[in-house]
Amino acid sequence: GQNIDQPTEMTATEGAIVQINCTYQTSGFNGLFWYQQHAGEAPTFLSYNVLDGLEEKGRFSSFLSRSKGYSYLLLKELQMKDSASYLCAVRDSNYQLIWGAGTKLIIKP
Amino acid sequence: IAGITQAPTSQILAAGRRMTLRCTQDMRHNAMYWYRQDLGLGLRLIHYSNTAGTTGKGEVPDGYSVSRANTDDFPLTLASAVPSQTSVYFCASSEASGASNEQFFGPGTRLTVL
Repeated sequence: GQNIDQPTEMTATEGAIVQINCTYQTSGFNGLFWYQQHAGEAPTFLSYNVLDGLEEKGRFSSFLSRSKGYSYLLLKELQMKDSASYLCAVRDSNYQLIWGAGTKLIIKP
Repeated sequence: IAGITQAPTSQILAAGRRMTLRCTQDMRHNAMYWYRQDLGLGLRLIHYSNTAGTTGKGEVPDGYSVSRANTDDFPLTLASAVPSQTSVYFCASSEASGASNEQFFGPGTRLTVL
């Protein structure tokens, strides 16, 4: 079967750095997405990786290792507004997105 | 309209009733999707449409139907609602169904079936 694993919840301090991991087992691989979802709101796109390596976008970076079935999202200089759920999703061989359950990130002052 | 809109925002429905959730996008995206999101589970794909006039089944299609008569609209119908269909429903669209195309989400419909 297809599976995306992420930690359920993480806590970090304002101004710090946090890494959210995602491991996947899917039928085929056509890219990995990270989305942010604030409570009660819709998911919004953060990043896309299809090749191995690190993609940096401001305070957010995303890393992919296809051989290990592994990705992480790195958030730097955490702000209170970064409190949200972070969703990892893999596009499979049918070009459909398979979603993880999300990681709830709690930022403390 | 800017982006994707969904209606209603929330609804309480008696079991056995028929319900249509509406979704409209103004980005001229070819592909559209319906997901449900339940606590502790990832988004699960119900139905999708790669282009107007075509639809396909996702991971959890039973009890739901869709139509795609034009590019902009993608309604989701529950023919006879059951309590297990209580969920938050998100409509999404993307420029195409290809690999790098990000999906844009509507604000969601919170549905409670009693």
